[in-house]
Amino acid sequence: QKEVEQNSGPLSVPEGAIASLNCTYSDRGSQSFFWYRQYSGKSPELIMSIYSNGDKEDGRFTAQLNKASQYVSLLIRDSQPSDSATYLCAGYTGTASKLTFGTGTRLQVTL
Amino acid sequence: DAGITQSPRHKVTETGTPVTLRCHQTENHRYMYWYRQDPGHGLRLIHYSYGVKDTDKGEVSDGYSVSRSKTEDFLLTLESATSSQTSVYFCATGGGLSYNEQFFGPGTRLTVL
Repeated sequence: QKEVEQNSGPLSVPEGAIASLNCTYSDRGSQSFFWYRQYSGKSPELIMSIYSNGDKEDGRFTAQLNKASQYVSLLIRDSQPSDSATYLCAGYTGTASKLTFGTGTRLQVTL
Repeated sequence: DAGITQSPRHKVTETGTPVTLRCHQTENHRYMYWYRQDPGHGLRLIHYSYGVKDTDKGEVSDGYSVSRSKTEDFLLTLESATSSQTSVYFCATGGGLSYNEQFFGPGTRLTVL
């Protein structure tokens, strides 16, 4: 079992809809989680960090963390074509200084 | 991130040759990381550094070595390149104001023929 798992997609949503991206993790001791956005041929860009249970909102993005169920999610409201990218979930599992990444979910926002 | 640069950005080399990739940061971040990204595997940690001359292995360290003689520079060396090391290599830094966050450089695309 991978330490951080994501559905590879693609997840297709129409413009203006809410995109919901999910991630599960296996290490109950994990404390910090991150969402990165990666456009094709580019490097990962940090868009959200979440450290405690509940929701964290930043503009159109909301990250949700549920430690009891060991999942992290990212909601993108009012999805735009420019949101089309691969979204990587990452968490500190095991050793505190090492981030473990999921393989990413590809999001397609259609017109 | 403009504070992290990688060189070269693209390189084609032959099997058996040594290759060195450079990461340079102007963020004064304590931690520096080398990852490789391959289809189906995602980002995997090769080596990381938690200070000048302090380095440790990641999950895919075989065939790679690193050095960090200055805070701002972290070098990744492929001692004898193999075709399995064809990949995109990303440098990242962390340990800044948002201590746990990592920020990525633009990447180096390496092809080993």
